[in-house]
Amino acid sequence: NAGVTQTPKFQVLKTGQSMTLQCAQDMNHNSMYWYRQDPGMGLRLIYYSASEGTTDKGEVPNGYNVSRLNKREFSLRLESAAPSQTSVYFCASSRDRERETQYFGPGTRLLVL
Amino acid sequence: GENVEQHPSTLSVQEGDSAVIKCTYSDSASNYFPWYKQELGKRPQLIIDIRSNVGEKKDQRIAVTLNKTAKHFSLHITETQPEDSAVYFCAANLGPGRRALTFGSGTRLQVQP
Repeated sequence: NAGVTQTPKFQVLKTGQSMTLQCAQDMNHNSMYWYRQDPGMGLRLIYYSASEGTTDKGEVPNGYNVSRLNKREFSLRLESAAPSQTSVYFCASSRDRERETQYFGPGTRLLVL
Repeated sequence: GENVEQHPSTLSVQEGDSAVIKCTYSDSASNYFPWYKQELGKRPQLIIDIRSNVGEKKDQRIAVTLNKTAKHFSLHITETQPEDSAVYFCAANLGPGRRALTFGSGTRLQVQP
């Protein structure tokens, strides 16, 4: 039981390049989330998916798109990376969206030059 | 907008002392309040949570209290140990439908041996 997994672990991009961060969970959870973590800012929600087939914007969605590919997988895409998107990205999942423990993946460290 | 404020941002205690971290939230409809611990370079991990139908919850050396009237909740760690050193985040399920967690900005706890 791997829990929540993320790929890649680390990525360097040039401004304007695109990439997709992958996330998968094997806990049969319905809800999945993408956060970014910047120094001193805590975790900020980018997008979430309450259930398969639905996605909603969080606090900081600009510059990102998401796809809930199936119940297990939730990807985050940067279409045109900017230095302001340099951050650590965490994926999380929970059984349901409200009042449920969120389990985090190991994170992806992204550097945009 | 909806937010969670967390204090202090840094806290240094001697081994064996108690540590208290406080959070306030803006949405009186919030009903789920987890606390996460994040060690350097690692993912956030849930250490304790409380739901709005109780005022206090304890798990060994860790306790959380909730005051719904005042809209604040606190994490209490007793008999601190060096391995308690980490960043601690509070969170609450704020906003319309209480769909996702909003995190505080974190408290860096340093336990001096």
